[in-house]
Amino acid sequence: QSVLTQPPSVSEAPRQRVTISCSGSSSNIGNNAVNWYQQLPGKAPKLLIYYDDLLPSGVSDRFSGSKSGTSASLAISGLQSEDEADYYCAAWDDSLNVVVFGGGTKLTVL
Amino acid sequence: EVQLVESGGGLVQPGGSLRLSCAASGFTFSDHYMDWVRQAPGKGLEWVGRTRNKANSYTTEYAASVKGRFTISRDDSKNSLYLQMNSLKTEDTAVYYCARASTAGCSGGSCYSYWFDPWGQGTLVTVSS
Repeated sequence: QSVLTQPPSVSEAPRQRVTISCSGSSSNIGNNAVNWYQQLPGKAPKLLIYYDDLLPSGVSDRFSGSKSGTSASLAISGLQSEDEADYYCAAWDDSLNVVVFGGGTKLTVL
Repeated sequence: EVQLVESGGGLVQPGGSLRLSCAASGFTFSDHYMDWVRQAPGKGLEWVGRTRNKANSYTTEYAASVKGRFTISRDDSKNSLYLQMNSLKTEDTAVYYCARASTAGCSGGSCYSYWFDPWGQGTLVTVSS
């Protein structure tokens, strides 16, 4: 049971837009920044979004992050087959004093 | 190029020990907190532990699931991070990643933002008889 809650899977057609939700509590998302990671099949995770909505250098602007209260979302526009991956949200948890992750969401591009 | 390369994984029996290494390059290793994160087969990511930098006295913290069994250390002169794993259990079977941490707004052990970039390629640890 992960501290942050994500849907196990989402799917959408190419060139469409999809959002992945991440739900937490006041001790994590409600009080701290959210980061998102992309894990392509068989690869290590890669930082996708940090500080709620900032893109690291080299990450496509088709990816965007947002946060409201104790929930956050990752949006991917103009879906491509190469976006098929597992996506994880993460945040610092003030009660546990550790980084906590969501369970991950598998994105399928139909 | 900023790079992290893990090594040392393998097959070990329950109750055994293993030491993982992570070689860093392309950045000032001594400036950064460094973490270990693991991923059991077919499962999600789990934070294992961290070592802070010299400025923060190299203090370490661990997940409850590994506290007392795992020890994180670093050698800034060799740009290397280590994970000593003792009393291994079958549930420790996972790919272990080292990751460079970046922080913002840290105070009293808590951080407003704490993210990992980059990650190493991972090394597989299998605990089985």
